[in-house]
Amino acid sequence: QQQVKQSPQSLIVQKGGISIINCAYENTAFDYFPWYQQFPGKGPALLIAIRPDVSEKKEGRFTISFNKSAKQFSLHIMDSQPGDSATYFCAASISGGYNKLIFGAGTRLAVHP
Amino acid sequence: GAVVSQHPSWVICKSGTSVKIECRSLDFQATTMFWYRQFPKQSLMLMATSNEGSKATYEQGVEKDKFLINHASLTLSTLTVTSAHPEDSSFYICSAWDRAGGPTDTQYFGPGTRLTVL
Repeated sequence: QQQVKQSPQSLIVQKGGISIINCAYENTAFDYFPWYQQFPGKGPALLIAIRPDVSEKKEGRFTISFNKSAKQFSLHIMDSQPGDSATYFCAASISGGYNKLIFGAGTRLAVHP
Repeated sequence: GAVVSQHPSWVICKSGTSVKIECRSLDFQATTMFWYRQFPKQSLMLMATSNEGSKATYEQGVEKDKFLINHASLTLSTLTVTSAHPEDSSFYICSAWDRAGGPTDTQYFGPGTRLTVL
């Protein structure tokens, strides 16, 4: 019940296209859902995060869609660029205190020019 | 956003030696920090939760005596890999919650430390 399932494992998108990464969770107590971007040899960087009181959050070209009833959330990268090529991790946690993040397996995105 | 630093960024050591990795929160206080390890092309695996002024909480399967964690201040946690072996070679990353860990708070990650044990 602590798992976060992420798909696809890898994704190839043409420049200018839309990249979509999906995650699903089981624990209904989760109420914090961040996405992290990681480049090789670097630590994960927070990209965007959402809480269950909203169904969508947009920051620039990045959008999180959240479906509470389906226990799913997804990351959409609009107008994908080669510089977006990285590994993306979704995660989930319970707010309050200092709870740990539960990570998905990651998605390796390659944006071809 | 908040900044978490790690030192060193990479380290090479001989088998049997101990290595210490530092994790600092630069512009906020962190009562709790987390230590992860990451193997190539894999996700982050939580090793332990580091609590300021008290013992760390280790995840199942992580050897407490091998991975010593000390959280002596609100801005510094250290991970010591004792008697390191080649299988301990990995990318070690720390993280910390900014602010009080409430509903508007965010967990930030350090840049990671690459450990290679020869």
